[in-house]
Amino acid sequence: GQNIDQPTEMTATEGAIVQINCTYQTSGFNGLFWYQQHAGEAPTFLSYNVLDGLEEKGRFSSFLSRSKGYSYLLLKELQMKDSASYLCAVLDSNYQLIWGAGTKLIIKP
Amino acid sequence: ETGVTQTPRHLVMGMTNKKSLKCEQHLGHNAMYWYKQSAKKPLELMFVYSLEERVENNSVPSRFSPECPNSSHLFLHLHTLQPEDSALYLCASSQTLGEPNYGYTFGSGTRLTVV
Repeated sequence: GQNIDQPTEMTATEGAIVQINCTYQTSGFNGLFWYQQHAGEAPTFLSYNVLDGLEEKGRFSSFLSRSKGYSYLLLKELQMKDSASYLCAVLDSNYQLIWGAGTKLIIKP
Repeated sequence: ETGVTQTPRHLVMGMTNKKSLKCEQHLGHNAMYWYKQSAKKPLELMFVYSLEERVENNSVPSRFSPECPNSSHLFLHLHTLQPEDSALYLCASSQTLGEPNYGYTFGSGTRLTVV
């Protein structure tokens, strides 16, 4: 079966760096997404990786290793507004999105 | 308006009621999706429409009935629901089916409580 694993919850300190990991086992691979979802709000697109390596967008970076079935989302200079759930999703060979359960990130002052 | 709009934001209904959820997108996208989001579980894909044609129905109970009258609107009709159907129902759209690169644009969801 298809599976996406990510930690349920993480805690970090304002101003620090946090890395949220995602491992996947899917039928084929057409890219990996990260979404951010604040409580009671819509998930919003953060990044898309289809090739191995690191993609940087301001304070957020996303890394992919297709051979290891592994990705991470790196958040730098954490701010209180970064408290949210972070969803990892993989586009499989049928172009269907397979979702992880999300990682709830709690930022403490 | 831009983006994906869902109404209502909150809905409480009894098990014998009939209600409908509405989704509207003004992005010119050709694909629309209904998802169910329950606490600590992955998003569950319920229905997929591409160019107003249903292309996916992931074994969803018949008490959920989708309707896509045009490429901008999507409805989810609900009847005789069960308490376990209480969840956040999210609508999403994408340029084309399974769009890579830009992903999906989500609405803020309807928080459904079945009593």
